[in-house]
Amino acid sequence: RKEVEQDPGPFNVPEGATVAFNCTYSNSASQSFFWYRQDCRKEPKLLMSVYSSGNEDGRFTAQLNRASQYISLLIRDSKLSDSATYLCVVRGNAGKSTFGDGTTLTVKP
Amino acid sequence: ETGVTQSPTHLIKTRGQQVTLRCSSQSGHNTVSWYQQALGQGPQFIFQYYREEENGRGNFPPRFSGLQFPNYSSELNVNALELDDSALYLCASSFRGGFTEAFFGQGTRLTVV
Repeated sequence: RKEVEQDPGPFNVPEGATVAFNCTYSNSASQSFFWYRQDCRKEPKLLMSVYSSGNEDGRFTAQLNRASQYISLLIRDSKLSDSATYLCVVRGNAGKSTFGDGTTLTVKP
Repeated sequence: ETGVTQSPTHLIKTRGQQVTLRCSSQSGHNTVSWYQQALGQGPQFIFQYYREEENGRGNFPPRFSGLQFPNYSSELNVNALELDDSALYLCASSFRGGFTEAFFGQGTRLTVV
């Protein structure tokens, strides 16, 4: 079993749709959590950190459930520019970051 | 831009050769991590350097080695290249001691033929 598992996707949605991505992690000692976005053949870029209290940044909402070892990302009112691969990242106390394999989102007109 | 730079951006090597990839970390960051990303997969952790010492390693053989310099820049060396080493190699810098995010360089795309 992988340390970080994500919905394999791909997700193909129309503009304006709401889409949710899920991620589970196996190491209960994990300390910090992030969502990264990666465009084709580019480096990953930080989308947002994830906190137990939940956090929102515009159309994006991230949630962490430590008891279930589960992280989610919700995108509302999808835009064409949201098309990318979304990577769930979990970091332990030694600073090592473990990535999921990503979920690909395609937003269509 | 993140301030993390990698060189070269693209590289073609022959099986059996050796390669050195370079990374300059973001100002204020003291930790550098290296990742290998094969097509269709997430980045896989190779190792991390902090205060010029290896500080954590993933499931990569010893022919993957690295260095960190006093200015926190870093090198990744791969000996005896194999075809499966073809991938995007990513460097990420962060500040150890805080739960802060890591920022990535643009990567080096290595092709082994």
